[in-house]
Amino acid sequence: DGGITQSPKYLFRKEGQNVTLSCEQNLNHDAMYWYRQDPGQGLRLIYYSQIVNDFQKGDIAEGYSVSREKKESFPLTVTSAQKNPTAFYLCATGGLAGFNEQFFGPGTRLTVL
Amino acid sequence: QKEVEQNSGPLSVPEGAIASLNCTYSDRGSQSFFWYRQYSGKSPELIMFIYSNGDKEDGRFTAQLNKASQYVSLLIRDSQPSDSATYLCAVKTSYDKVIFGPGTSLSVIP
Repeated sequence: DGGITQSPKYLFRKEGQNVTLSCEQNLNHDAMYWYRQDPGQGLRLIYYSQIVNDFQKGDIAEGYSVSREKKESFPLTVTSAQKNPTAFYLCATGGLAGFNEQFFGPGTRLTVL
Repeated sequence: QKEVEQNSGPLSVPEGAIASLNCTYSDRGSQSFFWYRQYSGKSPELIMFIYSNGDKEDGRFTAQLNKASQYVSLLIRDSQPSDSATYLCAVKTSYDKVIFGPGTSLSVIP
C-alpha cells in the first residue's frame, strides 16, 4: 500500500515542550517537504530535503528542526523556540525530475495547551 | 505583489453550473502549474497540472494557462456538492520553488 503516512494525527503540546512529527513515504520520492497551514491561510514552507543527509530552510524555519537520515523518513521537531506552533502540519513528497508535482500526507494537527 | 494570488471567495455556484477559479502569478518564467483540492480538515489532493499554454481537460475539470497574461484557471463543469472545497493554485517558479496561493473556497449549492 503505497503512500505517505504522518503520525500522530492529533498532537497536544504543553508550553516549553519539544515535539516530533513523523513523516514516512514508500513512493521512492527523492524530495520531501514540510508545510504549515494556519486557519484560512495558504501553505508555508518550513523545510525541504532533496537528498538524504541534506536539507534546506524554507520560509519559516525558525523554531523547527529536521533530519533526513533515510530516504523514506523526514521527521519534523517543533521546538520550544517556536512561539506560535498551533497549526496543521503537512508533509509532502515529490520527484526531482519532470514537473515537480507534490503529494501530501494526511497531516498532523498540533495544538499547544 | 504576492507571488501567487487567488480570490479567497467564497465562490458559490448552483449544482450543475460551471465553477471558474482563477490564479495569477508574478514570476514570468514560471514553468509548471498545479491545482489542488482541499476538503475541510483534510490534506490537499492534486487534481490537475499544466505546463503549456492552452487548455488541459480531465473529466469535468479543465485547466487553462495563459503565460503571456500570467494567469491560470480551473473550470469545473457540472458542479456537484461534493466539489465544495478549497482549491489551491501552486506554481513552480523559474528558480525551482513551488509557491502555493492562499486558496479559493468553493461552495456548490444543491
